[in-house]
Amino acid sequence: SAVISQKPSRDICQRGTSLTIQCQVDSQVTMMFWYRQQPGQSLTLIATANQGSEATYESGFVIDKFPISRPNLTFSTLTVSNMSPEDSSIYLCSVVGGPSYNEQFFGPGTRLTVL
Amino acid sequence: AQTVTQSQPEMSVQEAETVTLSCTYDTSESDYYLFWYKQPPSRQMILVIRQEAYKQQNATENRFSVNFQKAAKSFSLKISDSQLGDAAMYFCAYRSATPGGTSYGKLTFGQGTILTVHP
Repeated sequence: SAVISQKPSRDICQRGTSLTIQCQVDSQVTMMFWYRQQPGQSLTLIATANQGSEATYESGFVIDKFPISRPNLTFSTLTVSNMSPEDSSIYLCSVVGGPSYNEQFFGPGTRLTVL
Repeated sequence: AQTVTQSQPEMSVQEAETVTLSCTYDTSESDYYLFWYKQPPSRQMILVIRQEAYKQQNATENRFSVNFQKAAKSFSLKISDSQLGDAAMYFCAYRSATPGGTSYGKLTFGQGTILTVHP
């Protein structure tokens, strides 16, 4: 199984500022995913972070708002830019793993509150 | 596009009893995975059980088992001998199993079911 860590675990930010969330995996993975979970809601995929190419964003999410970096096969960052209170959410990174790539692992999440 | 529906926003069960959480999904694919995740207040997503669509046998993990009805596109989770520690939000999720496809690795989640366990 893959062990995933995220930093920070939580943060409180002022509107208009930006926050970068880090995701570190203990093994090399091809695909990393970033999800958002708004309060009381389910998880929604923001984007797929691919090493060596630009991230692929889902409908409703844009690179200017959520720039993603993937410098190597074990690390990725998600930046939440120009934050507003609507960005208050839990942000989770996830990877595909397992011997047959039939498992999906999640980081512990970053709880973001925007004032 | 795939969709996942959990029609029970909340469920409750007495400790030691059995509870079933419902999940239906819609897809045109034939090869996929279905997952049940547990999310306690700590917010960590914990994999409870996984089902490969090509397997007819229902997956089981200790007190957790699924009823997978592929034709009906139904994937319910049964928790036997419920424990206080089972209280959490439970999410049903779908993932394509087609390597290289545009949806590969992407999870589609249901709305979630909050499970309360009464002592």
